[in-house]
Amino acid sequence: QSALTQPASVSGSPGQSITLSCTGTSSDVGGYNYVSWYQIYPGKVPKLIIYDVNKWPSGISNRFSGSKSDNTASLTISGLQAEDEADYYCCSYAGLSTWVFGGGTKVTVL
Amino acid sequence: QVQLVESGGGVVQPGGSLRLSCTASESTFSSYGMHWVRQAPGKGLEWVAFIHYDGSKKNYADSVKGRFTISRDNSDYTLFLQMNSLRTEDTAVYYCATSGDFWREYDFDIWGQGTMVTISS
Repeated sequence: QSALTQPASVSGSPGQSITLSCTGTSSDVGGYNYVSWYQIYPGKVPKLIIYDVNKWPSGISNRFSGSKSDNTASLTISGLQAEDEADYYCCSYAGLSTWVFGGGTKVTVL
Repeated sequence: QVQLVESGGGVVQPGGSLRLSCTASESTFSSYGMHWVRQAPGKGLEWVAFIHYDGSKKNYADSVKGRFTISRDNSDYTLFLQMNSLRTEDTAVYYCATSGDFWREYDFDIWGQGTMVTISS
């Protein structure tokens, strides 16, 4: 159960698009289409923004989009806004009723 | 949608025990798989444990296996986490979470507000 690998930080200017990566193995990210992404503001509860690789929960902006290729999942934030400055975590099902999170990426809006 | 409220956190000495509870607001609780997820101070999220909607399947992160036990009482809409042999590295905010959807077991769409567990002598 090794943590998924995420870059520590990603930054971008308002209006730009940024992509966050989440790298695992064939036992987790590569083995299942059950990758989810969470947005966390400091001191707040995590919020689901993408599930099953590329699906949106109700009420989530389509500026957030997800994809996966082999053992790497990606979250793209389009039209970056100041309110997108937060921490983002990926999570993957890893089989046998276990899950694994990534280490998190801090997004900074310049 | 269902709301979740955790309780039972506190300060415990290393080697001690603690039992966390997570109470749901409605009977749909009994249809959902449930998880415990934790976040240590200044650290990332860590999945801790899962229990199937009917309790028939359970599993744990390697870091807690053999020390923590997840259980549920569907008649009382309550999820539990019994934590034994606690270590300083178990210090974290503990969240209960669920997809809130019987047909989705693989994500966490509904979270409680969290309960703080501090392991310190």
